[in-house]
Amino acid sequence: LAKTTQPISMDSYEGQEVNITCSHNNIATNDYITWYQQFPSQGPRFIIQGYKTKVTNEVASLFIPADRKSSTLSLPRVSLSDTAVYYCLVSYTGGFKTIFGAGTRLFVKA
Amino acid sequence: EAGVVQSPRYKIIEKKQPVAFWCNPISGHNTLYWYRQNLGQGPELLIRYENEEAVDDSQLPKDRFSAERLKGVDSTLKIQPAELGDSAVYLCASSQPNKNEQFFGPGTRLTVL
Repeated sequence: LAKTTQPISMDSYEGQEVNITCSHNNIATNDYITWYQQFPSQGPRFIIQGYKTKVTNEVASLFIPADRKSSTLSLPRVSLSDTAVYYCLVSYTGGFKTIFGAGTRLFVKA
Repeated sequence: EAGVVQSPRYKIIEKKQPVAFWCNPISGHNTLYWYRQNLGQGPELLIRYENEEAVDDSQLPKDRFSAERLKGVDSTLKIQPAELGDSAVYLCASSQPNKNEQFFGPGTRLTVL
């Protein structure tokens, strides 16, 4: 199973773009890359998922280089409410194996 | 659409006592997961069900933990007897067939004294 590594914490200011990079050197051919967001006292919430190149939805973009050994979650113009823990994980579609790492604590300041 | 429902939200027990957590997944989601999340860490998978079958319970401490999903819908996770180290948040999640996106409930915060 692919293990992920991401920064423990990041600080940002309101209105800035935040990029959180995750490394997953042992990603397998069938693995997808998924990002979740978690607020205190809540369960994680799905943000975005991708396999290669770029994926964009209404809240974020996910950039995946050709070798797929890393990925970058991009949050445009963050607000105070984006302060949360962000988890990068790889998901094996065949067996739904998912491993959450320790996540990145993003703190957005005014 | 109702989300994943878990109860209770909080539970305080003394060590060596039994405890049970209940989860009702989103309707139509045949995959159900139980996770344990310790403070400051990411969720750790305990068991995954496909309908009523436990297809991955490799991380479930089977000496004291048990789980069931008898009719392939709601599920119960039990600890007997509880130990101090079991204090954590127990999360339930569900997903649609052949989909990776998991929908999490709010969790049950267990405190073992």
